[in-house]
Amino acid sequence: EDQVTQSPEALRLQEGESSSLNCSYTVSGLRGLFWYRQDPGKGPEFLFTLYSAGEEKEKERLKATLTKKESFLHITAPKPEDSATYLCAVQGYNTDKLIFGTGTRLQVFP
Amino acid sequence: DTEVTQTPKHLVMGMTNKKSLKCEQHMGHRAMYWYKQKAKKPPELMFVYSYEKLSINESVPSRFSPECPNSSLLNLHLHALQPEDSALYLCASSQESSSPYEQYFGPGTRLTVT
Repeated sequence: EDQVTQSPEALRLQEGESSSLNCSYTVSGLRGLFWYRQDPGKGPEFLFTLYSAGEEKEKERLKATLTKKESFLHITAPKPEDSATYLCAVQGYNTDKLIFGTGTRLQVFP
Repeated sequence: DTEVTQTPKHLVMGMTNKKSLKCEQHMGHRAMYWYKQKAKKPPELMFVYSYEKLSINESVPSRFSPECPNSSLLNLHLHALQPEDSALYLCASSQESSSPYEQYFGPGTRLTVT
């Protein structure tokens, strides 16, 4: 059964304190791994798609990486506006569904 | 433009009411989705439409009835809901459902059932 586990559940950072969020996955053939950002009461905002191990993508202070078992979302020198819940999702070859993790709630304090 | 719009933003309905949620995209996407999201939980897939045909129904109760009038529009008809159906309802679209295309989400409709 396809499964996604995110850690930590919650993360509090001081502004400028870099860190990483983890997404471990089990899937029968990975089509794609997706990272989303979600602010309270709003829809998820697409960040990255990763397709194969070794792939990396960057956007501003965020960098996503992928191995055969997990993905990391690295946040460099975060700012308070980076505070949000970050969701990881995978799509396997045997389904059209996205399997979401439970997310990491990030709080960045000034 | 990667915008998915949803109306209304908020909806309060009694258990005997009938209401509809609406979703629209103009990105030329051929797959559209309905999700339900409870507080501090990830989105939970309800329905998938591919090329205007229902392709996935995640065993959703019949009090939720989806409709895809055309490739840009998606509706969710609600009837005789229960208080536990109160949640954020999200619409999403993607280029197609059968490939790893990213899904773009709308802002959601906050539904309260009284």
